[in-house]
Amino acid sequence: AQTVTQSQPEMSVQEAETVTLSCTYDTSENNYYLFWYKQPPSRQMILVIRQEAYKQQNATENRFSVNFQKAAKSFSLKISDSQLGDTAMYFCAFMKLGDSSYKLIFGSGTRLLVRP
Amino acid sequence: GAVVSQHPSRVICKSGTSVKIECRSLDFQATTMFWYRQFPKQSLMLMATSNEGSKATYEQGVEKDKFLINHASLTLSTLTVTSAHPEDSSFYICSARPLLYGYTFGSGTRLTVV
Repeated sequence: AQTVTQSQPEMSVQEAETVTLSCTYDTSENNYYLFWYKQPPSRQMILVIRQEAYKQQNATENRFSVNFQKAAKSFSLKISDSQLGDTAMYFCAFMKLGDSSYKLIFGSGTRLLVRP
Repeated sequence: GAVVSQHPSRVICKSGTSVKIECRSLDFQATTMFWYRQFPKQSLMLMATSNEGSKATYEQGVEKDKFLINHASLTLSTLTVTSAHPEDSSFYICSARPLLYGYTFGSGTRLTVV
């Protein structure tokens, strides 16, 4: 069974600075997707970034980028130029390809506070 | 595009009654929808996978008779919490997969059982 681990329950960063959130996962699968989701105080889940396991190039979305290390089973999220609106819970998630259920497996989350 | 609408956003019910939560895909067809439960300051726990036209697939430990799921059309899935008790109080979230490898989430329902 797949597991996703986020070892940082809480993180804090000064506005405009850079922060990295950690995520590791355990799987014997070779084909899968990894995601970072953001859940602000409104509790609406918002997709931040997605990475296909077969792609070596790290995904980037504006201020958000990942460091995907497949061999190490690590998938960290870097937020550059942090903004107050980045304050939220961040969840790392795993989806196995070839599984007809397409279930998402979530980590326990990291609460990020951006300080003004 | 790819919007999932979830209603109600908040509901308070008396212990022993049943509550229905709706999840609709507004601009796409969803053969599969997912129902999650989230406790305060915790992660999302998958409860069940809702399949259009067939029975839902429940995760281990989730009571099928307590949490009834119906997915009668390609745009609507419902979760009914039957004979609700205070321990069923939680935040429930649905999601659907409009893209092959993408998910859209509803805005969630806060259920309080008194």
